Amino acid sequence: RKEVEQDPGPFNVPEGATVAFNCTYSNSASQSFFWYRQDCRKEPKLLMSVYSSGNEDGRFTAQLNRASQYISLLIRDSKLSDSATYLCVVNMRGNKLVFGAGTILRVKS
Amino acid sequence: EAGVAQSPRYKIIEKRQSVAFWCNPISGHATLYWYQQILGQGPKLLIQFQNNGVVDDSQLPKDRFSAERLKGVDSTLKIQPAKLEDSAVYLCASSWGVSADTQYFGPGTRLTVL
Repeated sequence: RKEVEQDPGPFNVPEGATVAFNCTYSNSASQSFFWYRQDCRKEPKLLMSVYSSGNEDGRFTAQLNRASQYISLLIRDSKLSDSATYLCVVNMRGNKLVFGAGTILRVKS
Repeated sequence: EAGVAQSPRYKIIEKRQSVAFWCNPISGHATLYWYQQILGQGPKLLIQFQNNGVVDDSQLPKDRFSAERLKGVDSTLKIQPAKLEDSAVYLCASSWGVSADTQYFGPGTRLTVL
């Protein structure tokens, strides 16, 4: 089993749609969780951290479910500019971050 | 604030040749990371430095890869000799402390091994 698993997609959605991604992780002792965004041929950039109580930033909402060992990212009112690969990142052991392979989102007009 | 700098941006070499990448982290960042990102995959940590000491190099193929961070600032990653499967983007990142703080990535070096 991979340490961090994501549905690779692609998710093709129209502008204005709501889309959600899930990510599962293997280590129940993991403490920190993040979503990074990576545009085509660019470096990853932090989108948001995921807290136990959930986290909302504008159109983006992240949730953590420790019992089922997954995190989710919800994007409301999708924009063309949201098209990117979304990387699920988990702090597995100490200070080591493990990245998922990413979920591709394509928002179309 | 200047970001993480990397050079070169692109490199094409033949298998069995050597190659070196350079990274300059954000000023004041104690922790520096080198990742390998193969097409279609997420970044994989190769080595992590705190200042000039190695924190984690468990996934670094030490028979061919080496890295150093002299004086706790700039870092170089070397591959000798390169194999076809080393074709990837090599990303350098830095963060303030040793905890999993926000990591800031450089633009990466795209390596093609022929």
